[in-house]
Amino acid sequence: EPEVTQTPSHQVTQMGQEVILRCVPISNHLYFYWYRQILGQKVEFLVSFYNNEISEKSEIFDDQFSVERPDGSNFTLKIRSTKLEDSAMYFCASNWPGLYEQYFGPGTRLTVT
Amino acid sequence: SQQGEEDPQALSIQEGENATMNCSYKTSINNLQWYRQNSGRGLVHLILIRSNEREKHSGRLRVTLDTSKKSSSLLITASRAADTASYFCAFMDSNYQLIWGAGTKLIIKP
Repeated sequence: EPEVTQTPSHQVTQMGQEVILRCVPISNHLYFYWYRQILGQKVEFLVSFYNNEISEKSEIFDDQFSVERPDGSNFTLKIRSTKLEDSAMYFCASNWPGLYEQYFGPGTRLTVT
Repeated sequence: SQQGEEDPQALSIQEGENATMNCSYKTSINNLQWYRQNSGRGLVHLILIRSNEREKHSGRLRVTLDTSKKSSSLLITASRAADTASYFCAFMDSNYQLIWGAGTKLIIKP
């Protein structure tokens, strides 16, 4: 069964450093998403992406964040200058237009020290 | 706030019993979904109920939706130890964004 994959599974970085989290959505899906979950808290929507552009973004998704689909398979989330409060699990998801169920990757645990 | 609310925060029951989790929201929705998350793992979609539906079944799962009360419940019947996980409701708003509840941590005791 096709699945969303994410790399790395765990990323440790120092405050102020740039990180890129990578996702490979399910092929033929056209909508892509990033969410984050701070330990023990709710899942929070960051951004949705369709047709090579951002379709929606939350207040969390400020100028420090960017997304890109550099080729036909990868979908990346970049944090330019990480802060301690960026420490969280970051989940990528994808779905097919018209089908609202989203398929999630296993997540990347980001630890900012 | 558009955030969903879930209760209980934690639920511990004996294997074989039924587990009920509730979710409430504040805005109008397109649909409401339930996801499961095993400890430290990704989110797995369980079931979706549209705003014009009142009840839906999938195996041992039963979901109800009351749009007048802006609430939903997830019932897991005949629980098993493998059902131990966190369960999240997520409602899709008019912008097709998923807004998540805080989750219910379910523990099934063998």
